[in-house]
Amino acid sequence: AAGVIQSPRHLIKEKRETATLKCYPIPRHDTVYWYQQGPGQDPQFLISFYEKMQSDKGSIPDRFSAQQFSDYHSELNMSSLELGDSALYFCASSPQAGTRDYEQYFGPGTRLTVT
Amino acid sequence: GDSVTQMEGPVTLSEEAFLTINCTYTATGYPSLFWYVQYPGEGLQLLLKATKADDKGSNKGFEATYRKETTSFHLEKGSVQVSDSAVYFCALSDLGSNFGNEKLTFGTGTRLTIIP
Repeated sequence: AAGVIQSPRHLIKEKRETATLKCYPIPRHDTVYWYQQGPGQDPQFLISFYEKMQSDKGSIPDRFSAQQFSDYHSELNMSSLELGDSALYFCASSPQAGTRDYEQYFGPGTRLTVT
Repeated sequence: GDSVTQMEGPVTLSEEAFLTINCTYTATGYPSLFWYVQYPGEGLQLLLKATKADDKGSNKGFEATYRKETTSFHLEKGSVQVSDSAVYFCALSDLGSNFGNEKLTFGTGTRLTIIP
């Protein structure tokens, strides 16, 4: 079965640079979520999209922005990178948004290292 | 706001031992509850879930029962294996009023190591 695809899997950037992370949800999933997991930490919700519109926002820095495109893939843009942005970034997708039977399917993550 | 409190780790057990990882939650609404597992170097995999009170989620020998009266969702397994070594996250999602509003709130994770 198709899974959530994230690219790149690993990314190394220097401070103050820009990074773009991409997420391709499972086909026919209309909702995408982004999470950030710092070393030894639990995943923290950043932002979500439903039908290409931002639907919820968590603890996402103003330096970050994201969008969902017409083909439902999503991109997380991160500017002025800081050392503290080094983390594993997960994308998750879900179908049947708004029903109790839904669940989120996670991608393998993008490991971002800022040096 | 919503929160999940999870048993602190790490937890080390011998193979075939009984496992319990405690999880309690606080939510403003009526959440769905989940256990996710993360193997070394991998992403998060849904282990089991429960969407209403007294529901029991089960998968791969793991079980957890949604206890509304005690706001708990403890994970149990009768006989653990070395391959169960991983980090386990308890999580909740409050069904929001808007679609796409069902973000997951995670506990801090419990690292489980099973020794042969």
